[in-house]
Amino acid sequence: GAVVSQHPSWVICKSGTSVKIECRSLDFQATTMFWYRQFPKQSLMLMATSNEGSKATYEQGVEKDKFLINHASLTLSTLTVTSAHPEDSSFYICSAAGLAGLNTGELFFGEGSRLTVL
Amino acid sequence: SQQGEEDPQALSIQEGENATMNCSYKTSINNLQWYRQNSGRGLVHLILIRSNEREKHSGRLRVTLDTSKKSSSLLITASRAADTASYFCATAPPNDYKLSFGAGTTVTVRA
Repeated sequence: GAVVSQHPSWVICKSGTSVKIECRSLDFQATTMFWYRQFPKQSLMLMATSNEGSKATYEQGVEKDKFLINHASLTLSTLTVTSAHPEDSSFYICSAAGLAGLNTGELFFGEGSRLTVL
Repeated sequence: SQQGEEDPQALSIQEGENATMNCSYKTSINNLQWYRQNSGRGLVHLILIRSNEREKHSGRLRVTLDTSKKSSSLLITASRAADTASYFCATAPPNDYKLSFGAGTTVTVRA
């Protein structure tokens, strides 16, 4: 299957700093990328949908100024957690779909990025 | 919002046994998918079943879908230690591609 890469895989930061997580589709053009958040032993919660070249669509309850999403190219989307606080500590996972994938429902997931805010 | 609910929450079986887990959902779907997640890792797509399909096989995996009951099951036959993971169902509504994930079933296969 297609490969989606996330970086960094883990990051520790101090409270108040901002952290950027990258999601790259390595061998296909991802017209749409999705960002999820997962707390320990819980399910994935969709945070936002990003389409290349346009503003992200955020799910209800997700602060768009807190979680900045940029999808500037067909192979890269970034999630920036601004002014991070300990409650933002979580596992963030991205998934990507090309045009064909949006029709078939086939998404490819990154390996996730674990954020720990001290 | 999270649509799928799975049971059991956790399952512990002996290597070689079969593992069955169920997923129920609330609204109409275009398709239902099953994913595996090893601890601290990303998701691996296992199988997708469309709303007009009733059963699908892939290797040791068998998935059923009953749209009248809004439920699906995942059967892993002849389990191996490497099957130890969390398994999630995810649904996509008609005319949309956003997935809603269930709470997951944690499967432990004892050697």
